[in-house]
Amino acid sequence: GAGVSQSPSNKVTEKGKDVELRCDPISGHTALYWYRQSLGQGLEFLIYFQGNSAPDKSGLPSDRFSAERTGGSVSTLTIQRTQQEDSAVYLCASSFIDEHEQFFGPGTRLTVL
Amino acid sequence: QKEVEQNSGPLSVPEGAIASLNCTYSDRVSQSFFWYRQYSGKSPELIMSIYSNGDKEDGRFTAQLNKASQYVSLLIRDSQPSDSATYLCAVNIFGGMRFGAGTRLTVKP
Repeated sequence: GAGVSQSPSNKVTEKGKDVELRCDPISGHTALYWYRQSLGQGLEFLIYFQGNSAPDKSGLPSDRFSAERTGGSVSTLTIQRTQQEDSAVYLCASSFIDEHEQFFGPGTRLTVL
Repeated sequence: QKEVEQNSGPLSVPEGAIASLNCTYSDRVSQSFFWYRQYSGKSPELIMSIYSNGDKEDGRFTAQLNKASQYVSLLIRDSQPSDSATYLCAVNIFGGMRFGAGTRLTVKP
């Protein structure tokens, strides 16, 4: 594809439900990153993948958050037992190689009621 | 100390002036530095990348890097109202990008 795509663009869920957010990186990009941005705040790093492995999971806020990447392409960020403080825009980015420029997707706006 | 620090602003400059945005970082081994622009409600978009000490120019934008001082800046010449946005400094630290909180820039006509 021409750019990073994310789905869904918007997700409204009830507290306690699980959600899955999907990211499809730019073709050929080996590195993939997940960030979270709360309203009016900066970007919070969550996790990054080099290929299918995740060398750095330090940003995941709690064990309710997990992510996987298969086939070196699509990634899924899963949030279990969602809480209201999970409400934010979740952004995915990809880069050709680690430490290279990252290009962002449009984000998924998650609202937990 | 935060890994990447920026003055949150807001920074206001008149149209046609030079806007100067600054950023400091904590990790001495960082090698890759980036400036992103984010309009309200949109995703960040890459403006500049810089990897070596000195200046890098691209149109109206100049990025400056000083690794000894752990300092990176962005100059916007001939600022336009369309440059009004939040500017994010990003530094690659151990493979994960760390972003500053951003500086909100307003260019007044």
